[in-house]
Amino acid sequence: KQEVTQIPAALSVPEGENLVLNCSFTDSAIYNLQWFRQDPGKGLTSLLLIQSSQREQTSGRLNASLDKSSGRSTLYIAASQPGDSATYLCAVSLRPTTDSWGKFQFGAGTQVVVTP
Amino acid sequence: SQTIHQWPATLVQPVGSPLSLECTVEGTSNPNLYWYRQAAGRGLQLLFYSVGIGQISSEVPQNLSASRPQDRQFILSSKKLLLSDSGFYLCAWSVQRNYGYTFGSGTRLTVV
Repeated sequence: KQEVTQIPAALSVPEGENLVLNCSFTDSAIYNLQWFRQDPGKGLTSLLLIQSSQREQTSGRLNASLDKSSGRSTLYIAASQPGDSATYLCAVSLRPTTDSWGKFQFGAGTQVVVTP
Repeated sequence: SQTIHQWPATLVQPVGSPLSLECTVEGTSNPNLYWYRQAAGRGLQLLFYSVGIGQISSEVPQNLSASRPQDRQFILSSKKLLLSDSGFYLCAWSVQRNYGYTFGSGTRLTVV
């Protein structure tokens, strides 16, 4: 069974510092990996989706890398701002089969606080 | 563009009462649809998923059921709510080729 782990569970950084968030998974035969942001009491907002053939994706200040062989993904947020305060979750999906097509396994998330 | 609607946003229900949460998707056809629950301090748990009308797969045995009466409509139901059904319920969709999830805004359910 695929296990997804996010360490640390919580992180506090001063404004302007770069954020590094880690996601590890036990089964390297993943199909896609997706990073989400969740604000308190809200739904999940997709940040970046990395398909299995890709090694990284970038959007603005965000960059996500994927190393399937080591079972790791890292989300970098450059020059953090107080508005980046949220919980960040990663999710991985395995190669599709008749039974597991489209299902993602989520990590528990990293709660980030960016202090002014 | 594709949008996903989920309602209600919050719900307080007594133990033993029925439940119906609705999710609809616009701007796409034949999506995969999912119901997740997020309990306080815990991760996301997949409850049900559907790859087509009338096709429902359940991930965990529980007090809940799901139905997909139309291509872009997904309903989560219960005949009698338990205290343990409290949580944050999220609907999501993806295209058949699994290009990632898009989530609704969620329903906060409190069973009292």
